[in-house]
Amino acid sequence: AQRVTQPEKLLSVFKGAPVELKCNYSYSGSPELFWYVQYSRQRLQLLLRHISRESIKGFTADLNKGETSFHLKKPFAQEEDSAMYYCALRAETFTGANSKLTFGKGITLSVRP
Amino acid sequence: DGGITQSPKYLFRKEGQNVTLSCEQNLNHDAMYWYRQDPGQGLRLIYYSQIVNDFQKGDIAEGYSVSREKKESFPLTVTSAQKNPTAFYLCASLQNSNQPQHFGDGTRLSIL
Repeated sequence: AQRVTQPEKLLSVFKGAPVELKCNYSYSGSPELFWYVQYSRQRLQLLLRHISRESIKGFTADLNKGETSFHLKKPFAQEEDSAMYYCALRAETFTGANSKLTFGKGITLSVRP
Repeated sequence: DGGITQSPKYLFRKEGQNVTLSCEQNLNHDAMYWYRQDPGQGLRLIYYSQIVNDFQKGDIAEGYSVSREKKESFPLTVTSAQKNPTAFYLCASLQNSNQPQHFGDGTRLSIL
C-alpha cells in the first residue's frame, strides 16, 4: 500500500525567507509525485509534478528515491505563497485502481510580511 | 477555470436523511473521483470511477454511494449510515494517466 507523510502541519516564515515543505512517501514501485496547492477560497490545483522537472512560481521539488522524499522548496517566500499544500502520490501504472492519488495530510504555509 | 462543477456549494442535512452531491464535468474525462477533506486529515478517497457504469470503493466508502450513468456526471450520496458526514467534499476528474487530476470547487456539508 502507498502512503504519503507530511510531518508538519504548519510552517510560518517571513517574506524573503527560504521555504522547504517536507514530503516522504512509502511505495514499493516507481511512483509519480505531485504537489497540489489550495489558496484561500480557491479550488485545489496542481502546482507541479516530478516528471515535469520544472519550476512553478519559484517552487521546485526533486524526487529522491533513495530517501523516498519529494520536498517542495522555494528560496525566497512571498506573501502570496500562503496556502495549504498537499503532497500526493500516484502508482506507476494506469490499470484501473492504480490511477488514484494518495494524499498527505497537508501543510499550511503562512508567509508574514 | 470551468470544466468541473460541483453543486451545491453548501448543503445541510438533517439526522437520518440522505443527501446527494452533484459533480458534472465537460472535459470529456473518463475517470472521476470523490474525496473528503477534513482539517488535519488531508484528502481521503471515497469512491472513483474509471468508465461509465463502473466504480470502485476508495479508502473510506462506508456510508456513501455513487453512480456513473453518464460520462459527465458522478453524483455522491451521503447516506444516513455515515455517522460523521460534516466535511468538505471534492470531486475530481482525469483524462489519462499522463495528466494530473482536475478538481472542482467543493461542497461543504453540515449537519443541522
